[in-house]
Amino acid sequence: QQQVKQSPQSLIVQKGGISIINCAYENTAFDYFPWYQQFPGKGPALLIAIRPDVSEKKEGRFTISFNKSAKQFSLHIMDSQPGDSATYFCAAKGQGAQKLVFGQGTRLTINP
Amino acid sequence: ETGVTQTPRHLVMGMTNKKSLKCEQHLGHNAMYWYKQSAKKPLELMFVYNFKEQTENNSVPSRFSPECPNSSHLFLHLHTLQPEDSALYLCASSQESLNNEQFFGPGTRLTVL
Repeated sequence: QQQVKQSPQSLIVQKGGISIINCAYENTAFDYFPWYQQFPGKGPALLIAIRPDVSEKKEGRFTISFNKSAKQFSLHIMDSQPGDSATYFCAAKGQGAQKLVFGQGTRLTINP
Repeated sequence: ETGVTQTPRHLVMGMTNKKSLKCEQHLGHNAMYWYKQSAKKPLELMFVYNFKEQTENNSVPSRFSPECPNSSHLFLHLHTLQPEDSALYLCASSQESLNNEQFFGPGTRLTVL
């Protein structure tokens, strides 16, 4: 119940295309869903996050779509650029909790 | 120095060695974390410290021993490790808040021979 399942494991997208990464969870007590971006040799960095009271959040080219009934959320990267090539992790945590439960990660490659 | 720093960045050790990983946060946070990142596996939370007190230990083997002398510093003491302990060890910090956003350091790449 504590798991967050992330797919795909790896993704190759052409420059200018849309990258989509999906996550699913079981624990209905989760109420905070961040996405982290990690470049080689660096630690993960918060990219964008959402709470279940909204179905979508957009920041620049990055959008989170949230489907509470399906217990799924996804990251969309519009106009994908080679600089977006990184590993992306979804995560979830419950109200008042400190522990983040991470997905397995998606290695995204944007071809020029 | 800003953010969360970790030293060393790379470490190679034998199974009989004793070594320590160091983490320092310059963000004024009151919570610090150790994570293990292995290939093709989710980040695994190892330990959580709040105001220098350990509040979570995720069934981590005793060959990993954390130490938190103050809210800015966190150590992970290593002894008699196994090759399967080779991984990237990440430190993070956060300030207790609604979102409790965690800020990660660059990690220490550990190789156990």
